[in-house]
Amino acid sequence: QVQLVQSGAEVKKPGASVKVSCKASGYTFTSYDINWVRQATGQGLEWMGWMNPNSGNTGYAQKFQGRVTMTRNTSISTAYMELSSLRSEDTAVYYCARGIGYGRFDYWGQGTLVTVSS
Amino acid sequence: DIQMTQSPSSLSASVGDRVTITCQASQDISNYLNWYQQKPGKAPKLLIYDASNLETGVPSRFSGSGSGTDFTFTISSLQPEDIATYYCQQYDNLPPFLFTFGPGTKVDIK
Repeated sequence: QVQLVQSGAEVKKPGASVKVSCKASGYTFTSYDINWVRQATGQGLEWMGWMNPNSGNTGYAQKFQGRVTMTRNTSISTAYMELSSLRSEDTAVYYCARGIGYGRFDYWGQGTLVTVSS
Repeated sequence: DIQMTQSPSSLSASVGDRVTITCQASQDISNYLNWYQQKPGKAPKLLIYDASNLETGVPSRFSGSGSGTDFTFTISSLQPEDIATYYCQQYDNLPPFLFTFGPGTKVDIK
């Protein structure tokens, strides 16, 4: 069965960077895009960007351009999302999600809480 | 960037009621519109894709319609387990292939 398993919660200081991992299993990792979506407490879903695990190509929401980097290690079927220059407003649960068809997200990771606090 | 609006932002209905949520895109998105259900503390779940297609395993009381800029999501008979927040999400089929979620609609039982 398809599974996306994310790394554990992180606590970071303002200005630092965080790297969240998303390990895929149950399907061919390089056949589907991985997207990253975040959600601040009590707020809505915010799409951050996509990565094609086969080519490494990426597309980022304008809001995160220059601060986010999405990469992968195909040998271990794992995608990564790194967010730099963290500020308190980046405190949120970060999800990875598999992209399929015309832009739908059919499987999601369990979420990773990133807390930015001095 | 394409913007998405949803209405209402919240609603309260009785078990068995028909519930309708609308989603509007700031420009024509054809049928590249998906609907998700999110329960507290859980990841979102895909319900409807390409505006009107029911995801496998999703109960048939959920449905979607629309194309272009105006879309509708319907629960034909609200059940207690449907209490959740519902989000529309669009896909821009032109490079750089961006996505946007609507602000969400919180549904609870009256």
